[in-house]
Amino acid sequence: QKEVEQNSGPLSVPEGAIASLNCTYSDRGSQSFFWYRQYSGKSPELIMSIYSNGDKEDGRFTAQLNKASQYVSLLIRDSQPSDSATYLCAARANYGGSQGNLIFGKGTKLSVKP
Amino acid sequence: NAGVMQNPRHLVRRRGQEARLRCSPMKGHSHVYWYRQLPEEGLKFMVYLQKENIIDESGMPKERFSAEFPKEGPSILRIQQVVRGDSAAYFCASSPQPDNSYEQYFGPGTRLTVT
Repeated sequence: QKEVEQNSGPLSVPEGAIASLNCTYSDRGSQSFFWYRQYSGKSPELIMSIYSNGDKEDGRFTAQLNKASQYVSLLIRDSQPSDSATYLCAARANYGGSQGNLIFGKGTKLSVKP
Repeated sequence: NAGVMQNPRHLVRRRGQEARLRCSPMKGHSHVYWYRQLPEEGLKFMVYLQKENIIDESGMPKERFSAEFPKEGPSILRIQQVVRGDSAAYFCASSPQPDNSYEQYFGPGTRLTVT
């Protein structure tokens, strides 16, 4: 059973701080990784995708990938109360007959305090 | 460019009835994925379809559940003889191609409640 694991949180940070979210994955064949943000009662919204080892920056968000350690992270700089949500880490399946679908972690709940 | 559309947004069914959920992918996208999110749980993959083809249904329960994506019209996820345990949010996502470089975008979901 291929898995993606995340700390469920809640992770609480003060406004303006850096929020650090982490996940690990078990499928060594996975090549693509994604971070989604999900507000309560809403659908997942894609924030970042990352395919190569290293860092990828987009505005206040930086995704980091280390395939050797099977580790993905998301940094949110200058956190805002509007960033308060559940963050889902996903790996694209790449094994056997499963290629294309996403394997999701259970999500980390982030709370940014004003 | 319209996003992924799903309807209905909310669906209430009594035990034993059928539920039919619809998904129209983003314009230009020909690949559709269905996921289910149970309360307080993560998103779980159910089925992956292209037009007129089921590519991977490894996440879908063998009984009562079926999916299709006809040549014309939306993709449909059908749940027959619903039970209380089917109550969940069902999300559809689409991508232009299944290659690693393509991202999946989610629709607003259908919240199914079985009474």
